[in-house]
Order: sequence, then structure tokens, then C-alpha cells
Amino acid sequence: KAGVTQTPRYLIKTRGQQVTLSCSPISGHRSVSWYQQTPGQGLQFLFEYFSETQRNKGNFPGRFSGRQFSNSRSEMNVSTLELGDSALYLCASSLESASTDTQYFGPGTRLTVL
Amino acid sequence: GESVGLHLPTLSVQEGDNSIINCAYSNSASDYFIWYKQESGKGPQFIIDIRSNMDKRQGQRVTVLLNKTVKHLSLQIAATQPGDSAVYFCAETDSGYSTLTFGKGTMLLVSP
Repeated sequence: KAGVTQTPRYLIKTRGQQVTLSCSPISGHRSVSWYQQTPGQGLQFLFEYFSETQRNKGNFPGRFSGRQFSNSRSEMNVSTLELGDSALYLCASSLESASTDTQYFGPGTRLTVL
Repeated sequence: GESVGLHLPTLSVQEGDNSIINCAYSNSASDYFIWYKQESGKGPQFIIDIRSNMDKRQGQRVTVLLNKTVKHLSLQIAATQPGDSAVYFCAETDSGYSTLTFGKGTMLLVSP
């Protein structure tokens, strides 16, 4: 069974631009979560989607948004990029729930904001 | 590969030694705990998990111990190998709140 895939793997943007990252979960997994990883803050939860609905949201500004499609694939969008948004963005999928089922992570998208 | 974290606590061991990585958690309501391993340039990889109704769980070369009294979790790796070199994260969740909280991580360096 294929693992979680994320595209693109690397991205360079400039301040003020917006970006969309994509995640394909493991087949059969319906829950998709997004995390931001930085050296200073570690892994921080962004949001979780299940059945095309946002189930939970972390403490991030409204510039960070996401969505999930009927096939469970998910995208996250960051608008008006700031230098501090440079990070590794990780997607994780689980069967039904991020809090009760094992999450499997993708390789991440490395975003650099110049 | 990219650095996962700077200034992380680091545990240096020799190949063949047993390693113990510790994690303190703060939420007494947490009832599900997971250990992840992250190698440079990769996403976290699931190692082992434990629920709050257990205090010990064993996998292949790994054991997780949970002490709910002092809110402490540990990961023991037997016969550590150079391929075990990575950053190890503990994560906890209170299934009622549906979010996973990660610790800051510990870097394990294994010398041949």
C-alpha cells in the first residue's frame, strides 16, 4: 500500500505570495492532518480534516487554510506569505481520527519564503 | 538533508548499547501516546504507541514505558544500531480534544 504523498517536495516563494500544498493520504484513510515543523517551534498542529470537513484547528492565523476532497485528498493554502512561514509542512493520514488512530506522515513540503 | 531541529537534547551511544529516550508530558487527561522517529529529510515515522490503560508495550527492539503518576514516557531501544540515528518525538493526545501534541524531540546519535 502506498504511503502518504505530498507535492511539491520543495517550494520557494517571496513574501506576499500565496501557496497551495497537496497531500494524498494512504488509501482508505479518511482523516488528514497538517503540521508545521520549524527548528524553533517543533511540530505544531495546523488542522485536521475528515469527510471534507475541518474537524479541528490549531492556533494559526486565518492565512492558513485547508480543504479536503471527496477522495480524502487534501490541500492547504497559505496566503500573504511571511518570512516566518518558512518551514517543513507535513501531512499525516489516519483511518478515522488523528487522536485515536495511528497517524502516518508524508515526507513533507519544504517551503522557503524569501 | 534538512535539519529537523537545532539545539535538541542529544543522546550519544555506541552501537550495541541500549538507548533510553525520555519524555515528560503535561496533560493528565492524555490517554494515547506515540513515539515517532524522524530521519533527516523525511517525515516522522511511527515506531510504537501505548494507551493509558497500559504501562508497558513491546515491539521489535523497542519498548515503551508509561508512568501516569509522574506523567513520564520513555522509549527503550535495544542493541542500538547506526540506522537508529534520528530525532525521536513523543506525542500525546486526549482523545476528547482530537489533537496530537508533539514534544520537542531528542536526537539520538549512534556511533559504530
